[in-house]
Amino acid sequence: DIVMTQSPLSLPVTPGEPASISCRSSQSLLHSNGHNFLDWYLQKPGQSPQLLIYLGSNRAPGVPDRFSGSGSGRDFTLKISRVEAEDVGVYYCMQSLQTPHTFGPGTKVDIK
Amino acid sequence: QVQLQQSGPRLVKPSQTLSLSCAISGDSVSRNSAGWNWVRQSPSRGLEWLGRTYYNSKWYNEYAESVKSRITINPDTSKNQFTLQLKSLTPDDSAVYYCARGGGPLTWGYGMDVWGQGTTVSVSS
Repeated sequence: DIVMTQSPLSLPVTPGEPASISCRSSQSLLHSNGHNFLDWYLQKPGQSPQLLIYLGSNRAPGVPDRFSGSGSGRDFTLKISRVEAEDVGVYYCMQSLQTPHTFGPGTKVDIK
Repeated sequence: QVQLQQSGPRLVKPSQTLSLSCAISGDSVSRNSAGWNWVRQSPSRGLEWLGRTYYNSKWYNEYAESVKSRITINPDTSKNQFTLQLKSLTPDDSAVYYCARGGGPLTWGYGMDVWGQGTTVSVSS
């Protein structure tokens, strides 16, 4: 199975400031079609996970443009340009290149 | 607007079988650009993908090796839903179970964009 790691595991943030989360996979997630099979999800307190980014850098419909995804191969980054209070929760990366799809351990983002 | 509505028991005894349903509104379980997934979440395992079913001229299933001997995911076209059966339960199977729509044969990699509300399942005698 592909193992996903994230850093940091906890991220206190200040509203209005940028934030960044890293995700690394044990194998390259670059498909032969040129896409990276890497998603980012946010799970807000008491809610189901919600899709933010798919194929490494594509924002899901309705996701604010302050969220962006980048990276290729084994190393990926989720950036929030200006954190808002509603962005608190746990962020997960997930690979869908191979089954079983596997998630990272999560990064808990809260307000300082 | 696509919605997934989960139903099923929340308390199951050890060695018994868990049966959960995920009713789809606003989409079709038979659409060949979608895959229908089950994911669970527990403090010990985090988020764990269990498997999926999808249609591409015929029905396919894919399962995580960790549960492959115990799991069945079935589409139910008459009710436009899909189901999860997990047998021989142990307390380690206690978790929140989610159904989710993901990419399919035409849209692999497009992420799980619609999720059910989650069902908290406890395995206890």
